Amino acid sequence: DGGITQSPKYLFRKEGQNVTLSCEQNLNHDAMYWYRQDPGQGLRLIYYSQIVNDFQKGDIAEGYSVSREKKESFPLTVTSAQKNPTAFYLCASSHIPGEKLFFGSGTQLSVL
Amino acid sequence: QQQVKQSPQSLIVQKGGISIINCAYENTAFDYFPWYQQFPGKGPALLIAIRPDVSEKKEGRFTISFNKSAKQFSLHIMDSQPGDSATYFCAASGAGNTPLVFGKGTRLSVIA
Repeated sequence: DGGITQSPKYLFRKEGQNVTLSCEQNLNHDAMYWYRQDPGQGLRLIYYSQIVNDFQKGDIAEGYSVSREKKESFPLTVTSAQKNPTAFYLCASSHIPGEKLFFGSGTQLSVL
Repeated sequence: QQQVKQSPQSLIVQKGGISIINCAYENTAFDYFPWYQQFPGKGPALLIAIRPDVSEKKEGRFTISFNKSAKQFSLHIMDSQPGDSATYFCAASGAGNTPLVFGKGTRLSVIA
């Protein structure tokens, strides 16, 4: 089955800890994205990548980091600098940048 | 600065009725306007999309109406069903492969 796999589904972070969210796709898409979803706030772009070894900051990149070493993978690290990390994190990919995004099932991150 | 404004925040419709959700945008460079449907705990899924060269697009019970001069577009769900109860997001992207920007979402409840 082609699609996007996000793991884990639920993640808990202790204060001062970095955590990494996994995103893997087997759709052979060049573009990948990370969005953050808070209740009533819609989806806000954290980082995106249109090609391997290249990525750009989105609207709310502070406190987050990414890497794109392989076409299939786009992990997101939530660093200790992100003071309000509790949210639903969504990874997406697309064949044409900015169009027809396919989303994963999301990771719910909470702070202990 | 919110690039795509969506209304209403929530909507309750009787089964069999018409659900209407509206979005407005400012950036005239936008040329792709999709609607996404999201069920609780899941990632959004593309429902229908339109480009500015047409004023309306219909797929089954779902129709997008587009008004380029007013910079507005709307989603109409005909014969609304309880299974349509979900959160709907409008979005937009433009030339230059820019990422999608999303509205804040509309929570639709279809009651019998």
